[in-house]
Amino acid sequence: ETGVTQTPRHLVMGMTNKKSLKCEQHLGHNAMYWYKQSAKKPLELMFVYNFKEQTENNSVPSRFSPECPNSSHLFLHLHTLQPEDSALYLCASSQLLQGNTEAFFGQGTRLTVV
Amino acid sequence: AQSVTQLDSQVPVFEEAPVELRCNYSSSVSVYLFWYVQYPNQGLQLLLKYLSGSTLVESINGFEAEFNKSQTSFHLRKPSVHISDTAEYFCPRTSTSYGKLTFGQGTILTVHP
Repeated sequence: ETGVTQTPRHLVMGMTNKKSLKCEQHLGHNAMYWYKQSAKKPLELMFVYNFKEQTENNSVPSRFSPECPNSSHLFLHLHTLQPEDSALYLCASSQLLQGNTEAFFGQGTRLTVV
Repeated sequence: AQSVTQLDSQVPVFEEAPVELRCNYSSSVSVYLFWYVQYPNQGLQLLLKYLSGSTLVESINGFEAEFNKSQTSFHLRKPSVHISDTAEYFCPRTSTSYGKLTFGQGTILTVHP
């Protein structure tokens, strides 16, 4: 148990579907992140939320829409995705402002777009 | 822009052999360094970290890494590997308080019996 829980673990969706990925952290952290892990590419940071405010959008297409209703929950809403969006989506959290930027990761959601 | 280079995409070794996974950075200024491990179908787990102080850091399962500021490297070593060490290893860095990690390509360590 890493303290960061992602659901679902696996998701298959068509290009016209709308789905959401959920992330919950039980660590009392104040920052949450979405990363994308594609085959043969470095992990890519997608979004950063500090104290529920989005502080970074790393040029992510608008078909990915994040939502952070509180500091413990983070969602990634998906619509009209493309097959190249198939990847492992990882959520992470960290406690900032203490000089220790260690991030805790969830187990990821394996997304397949068909 | 900051970058991370993991010099080997795959490292095959035999069980009980020593291993070194290499990692270099574009700059060593105000840097926080990490090694994470990812087992198949899992998320990333922290192995060890360098924030400040001693440049040699150790993990609980026998891995160690040393921050070499002049060479901007943070190589991961283990004197004797086990089959269970088979995984992918990442050495991200951050230099801000946001915790944003910059990753390299990762290194797949495969330990053969």
